Amino acid sequence: AQTVTQSQPEMSVQEAETVTLSCTYDTSESDYYLFWYKQPPSRQMILVIRQEAYKQQNATENRFSVNFQKAAKSFSLKISDSQLGDAAMYFCAYISSGTYKYIFGTGTRLKVLA
Amino acid sequence: DTAVSQTPKYLVTQMGNDKSIKCEQNLGHDTMYWYKQDSKKFLKIMFSYNNKELIINETVPNRFSPKSPDKAHLNLHINSLELGDSAVYFCASRGAGSSGYTFGSGTRLTVV
Repeated sequence: AQTVTQSQPEMSVQEAETVTLSCTYDTSESDYYLFWYKQPPSRQMILVIRQEAYKQQNATENRFSVNFQKAAKSFSLKISDSQLGDAAMYFCAYISSGTYKYIFGTGTRLKVLA
Repeated sequence: DTAVSQTPKYLVTQMGNDKSIKCEQNLGHDTMYWYKQDSKKFLKIMFSYNNKELIINETVPNRFSPKSPDKAHLNLHINSLELGDSAVYFCASRGAGSSGYTFGSGTRLTVV
């Protein structure tokens, strides 16, 4: 069975600094997708970034980028120039093209310090 | 217009009651989901319907029954509510050929 692990329950970053959130996963499948979701206190699940496993190039969305290491099964999220509005729970998620069923990590709470 | 809307947003009820949560999506997506987020923020899939057909049914007590009258709607009915059912329930939808979901804003269910 696939698993997703986020080993950092909580992280803090100074405003305007850079922070990296870790995620590892376990799967025997070759065709899958990885995502980072943000959940602010409003509890809305907001898609931050996605990565297709067949793509070697790391995905980037403005201040958000990933470091996708397929062989190591690692998918970390880097947030540059952190802003107060980035404070939220961040969830790493795996989905296989076979089931289209999300498997979420346990989340990392990010605090941004002014 | 809200893409995936859930009602109600908050629900407080007594143990033993029966309640329903409704979900509607206006994205034309074929597949809809129910996820449960517990007090530790862990998200776990409960059910999925594809074009009104049940395709995912995780280990969930049979007090929980999903119903999909059409592909734009997926409702969740819960019988004989228990304290442990208190959680946030998220509805989501996914379009054909897409891997990403669109989530509703969640329903916070509190059983007292």
